[in-house]
Amino acid sequence: AQSVAQPEDQVNVAEGNPLTVKCTYSVSGNPYLFWYVQYPNRGLQFLLKYITGDNLVKGSYGFEAEFNKSQTSFHLKKPSALVSDSALYFCAVRRDTGRRALTFGSGTRLQVQP
Amino acid sequence: DSGVTQTPKHLITATGQRVTLRCSPRSGDLSVYWYQQSLDQGLQFLIQYYNGEERAKGNILERFSAQQFPDLHSELNLSSLELGDSALYFCASHGDRGLNTGELFFGEGSRLTVL
Repeated sequence: AQSVAQPEDQVNVAEGNPLTVKCTYSVSGNPYLFWYVQYPNRGLQFLLKYITGDNLVKGSYGFEAEFNKSQTSFHLKKPSALVSDSALYFCAVRRDTGRRALTFGSGTRLQVQP
Repeated sequence: DSGVTQTPKHLITATGQRVTLRCSPRSGDLSVYWYQQSLDQGLQFLIQYYNGEERAKGNILERFSAQQFPDLHSELNLSSLELGDSALYFCASHGDRGLNTGELFFGEGSRLTVL
């Protein structure tokens, strides 16, 4: 079985400050990890993924995420938050083999204050 | 725009009724995934089809069924609807060429309200 935990329902940060959205995962075998963002009344948009290689992956809109195998974490980060980053963020995982469907976390709402 | 098309965008119906949600994957994608997003359950994987065949099943209720047609569009059928079926239903697809590492591309969703 595989699972994802996003321990924070909401993260508040001031515009211009760095942001972190936390994610931990559980999967047997090697993980493929993903971050998606959802704006109100919209579908999920892909931000970035970790498959293999460098533990720091860079994605869309200035976001990056760091894969930490020992801590089974894949936290999403951005050096300087924008008000327009306010949205719902989902972390997802799947194994490197077998079923390709993603297992999603419960989501973290990011609120960036001006 | 992800290239995945879902219809209808909104649907309101009554308990006990049956509805059909439709999805067209991105051009060239053979796989279709259905997900349900509700407030209390989060994003739940329902079912996957690949080139017309069922490939994987998740938390799909027996009252729900799906199929994928030769033109690769998919339909999710929800019957004997209950209040708790009110949710956003997403369809997703991914590229099937190259390495097995592709992310999913999601449609805008169909919002179902059961009254």
